[in-house]
Amino acid sequence: AQTVTQSQPEMSVQEAETVTLSCTYDTSENNYYLFWYKQPPSRQMILVIRQEAYKQQNATENRFSVNFQKAAKSFSLKISDSQLGDTAMYFCAFIIQGAQKLVFGQGTRLTINP
Amino acid sequence: AAGVIQSPRHLIKEKRETATLKCYPIPRHDTVYWYQQGPGQDPQFLISFYEKMQSDKGSIPDRFSAQQFSDYHSELNMSSLELGDSALYFCASSLVPSSGELFFGEGSRLTVL
Repeated sequence: AQTVTQSQPEMSVQEAETVTLSCTYDTSENNYYLFWYKQPPSRQMILVIRQEAYKQQNATENRFSVNFQKAAKSFSLKISDSQLGDTAMYFCAFIIQGAQKLVFGQGTRLTINP
Repeated sequence: AAGVIQSPRHLIKEKRETATLKCYPIPRHDTVYWYQQGPGQDPQFLISFYEKMQSDKGSIPDRFSAQQFSDYHSELNMSSLELGDSALYFCASSLVPSSGELFFGEGSRLTVL
């Protein structure tokens, strides 16, 4: 069975600081996709960043970047120059290529303080 | 840009009643997914449809059923509602099944009293 683990239930940093959210996953498959989703208080799930397992290069989207370590099955999210609007629940998620089921981690509640 | 539309946004029902949630995917998206997120929980996959056929099934109770129609919209029907069914129900859509990039709606919050 595929599982996703986020070991940090809550994190809090000051505005403009850099923060890293951890995620590990477990699978015996070789081809899959990894994601970070953001769920602000408005509740909508918003895709932050996506990584294909076959790509060695870490994905980057503006202030958001990942550290993908396939051998360690680790997929952390780094948010640089954090902003108040980054306050949200962040979910790490995983899907096997060819499957339909997106598996989520338990989430990390991130608070950016002014 | 058009997004995934879910209705209703909020729904209050009594125990043992029936509820129907609707989902309109992004135009041209052919795959629809339903997720259930309980209070303080991560989203749990319920069911998905590709080209109007059920493509995968997760932890969906037998009391629930869903379908995708010819216009690609989907409906989730929930009968004999229980208190534990109170949750946020997300619909998501994608253009290519299993590319992994799902676009989520804003969710429908169901409260069972």
